[in-house]
Amino acid sequence: GESVGLHLPTLSVQEGDNSIINCAYSNSASDYFIWYKQESGKGPQFIIDIRSNMDKRQGQRVTVLLNKTVKHLSLQIAATQPGDSAVYFCADLRNNAGNMLTFGGGTRLMVKP
Amino acid sequence: DADVTQTPRNRITKTGKRIMLECSQTKGHDRMYWYRQDPGLGLRLIYYSFDVKDINKGEISDGYSVSRQAQAKFSLSLESAIPNQTALYFCATSDSRGRGRRYEQYFGPGTRLTVT
Repeated sequence: GESVGLHLPTLSVQEGDNSIINCAYSNSASDYFIWYKQESGKGPQFIIDIRSNMDKRQGQRVTVLLNKTVKHLSLQIAATQPGDSAVYFCADLRNNAGNMLTFGGGTRLMVKP
Repeated sequence: DADVTQTPRNRITKTGKRIMLECSQTKGHDRMYWYRQDPGLGLRLIYYSFDVKDINKGEISDGYSVSRQAQAKFSLSLESAIPNQTALYFCATSDSRGRGRRYEQYFGPGTRLTVT
C-alpha cells in the first residue's frame, strides 16, 4: 500500500555536526509536506513545510529538500545541538484524501556531546 | 502547545472500563483530530471533526467514539477499554480558513493511557 515512511528509526550524531533525516513517500498525489519534531513528553511541533512545486526550503538551521522524481524528502539540521534530540516525523497531504495529513513512523535523533 | 490542552495527562484503567479523554483549544480553530501513537507506528488517526456538526472516522476508529461538544472541545471515549488500547493519545487542531499555515496541525501534550 501507499505510505509515508522513514529509512532509519534512529540516528546518532555528534554535537556540531549536520544531521540528515530521510523520508520516502509513494503517493504521487502528495502535494504538501510537513516535518514535525516531538520532544520527550510533548506533542509534535511544526518545524518546516514545503509544497510540491518547490524542491528546497530553508528555515533557521533547517533545510527541507524534496525530490519528486524519486519521491524522497529530507530534513537537514545544521550544527546539531543537544536540544535537537527528539523524534522527527514527516507528514504528507493528499488533496485526493480530504486534505488530511498522513504521518510516517518517525526517526529518533540522538545528539552525542 | 499550551493552546491545546488534554486531560488527563496520564491514566491507568482496567479492562472493560469506559474512559473519556478530553481536549480543549483556545486557538479558535474549526478542525480537531484525535490520534493514537504506538512505538514505531507513528501517529494514526482515530477520528476527526471539521466543525461542531461534523464527525468522521479515521484509520482506526473501532472501539472508540467521539463528541464535539463545542468548537473548542473534542472528547474521545473508549467504550470498553482493552489492553491493546494502551498508547499515547494526541489531540490536534487546524484552521481551514486560511490564517497562517492552512494545513498545519497543532498538537496537545498527549495523554498516556494504560489499560491493565
